[in-house]
Amino acid sequence: GAVVSQHPSRVICKSGTSVKIECRSLDFQATTMFWYRQFPKQSLMLMATSNEGSKATYEQGVEKDKFLINHASLTLSTLTVTSAHPEDSSFYICSARDAEGVGYEQYFGPGTRLTVT
Amino acid sequence: AQSVTQLGSHVSVSEGALVLLRCNYSSSVPPYLFWYVQYPNQGLQLLLKYTSAATLVKGINGFEAEFKKSETSFHLTKPSAHMSDAAEYFCAVSESSGNTPLVFGKGTRLSVIA
Repeated sequence: GAVVSQHPSRVICKSGTSVKIECRSLDFQATTMFWYRQFPKQSLMLMATSNEGSKATYEQGVEKDKFLINHASLTLSTLTVTSAHPEDSSFYICSARDAEGVGYEQYFGPGTRLTVT
Repeated sequence: AQSVTQLGSHVSVSEGALVLLRCNYSSSVPPYLFWYVQYPNQGLQLLLKYTSAATLVKGINGFEAEFKKSETSFHLTKPSAHMSDAAEYFCAVSESSGNTPLVFGKGTRLSVIA
């Protein structure tokens, strides 16, 4: 089946530094990838939609200069949290859509736990 | 705009009992509907999906859901709960007409009591 990987699975960084999270579709091409943020015991909040070769579309309230998204290839999207602060600590999950699949199904990565100290 | 309402943030059942997790959706266009399960500190795993074919959809791990347009519902059921079913369950909707993001419900935490 379709597999999406994320790296790293956990990261701890100091306040003010930047962190890059990678999302890869391993066995299919994903023209569209999505980035979500999940706070403890809450649902997934869509941050942005990333289309290969074009600028990401950010949801209202998400700072595009803080959360930099790059989708340089059909199998890789990256999320960079710039100048991280403790309030950025969260669980970040990416998903990739198999455009050839029925129902535009999304396949989710295992998530990245970011802790900013 | 689309939305999903999951009734009950926490459902507790005994092992072997029926599992029923409720999901109602709102969509101005024909929807695609999904149920995902999330175990602690993990991503989401697709349980099943409705994509305008059969209204009764069977998924993995013995789960199934029925699309009822008249009730705008897509409730998830399993005849007999197992301890391993304890997890967070999310219902989600997307438009069938285009490449739109999933909209998730707030989730329902299922506890299974021995």
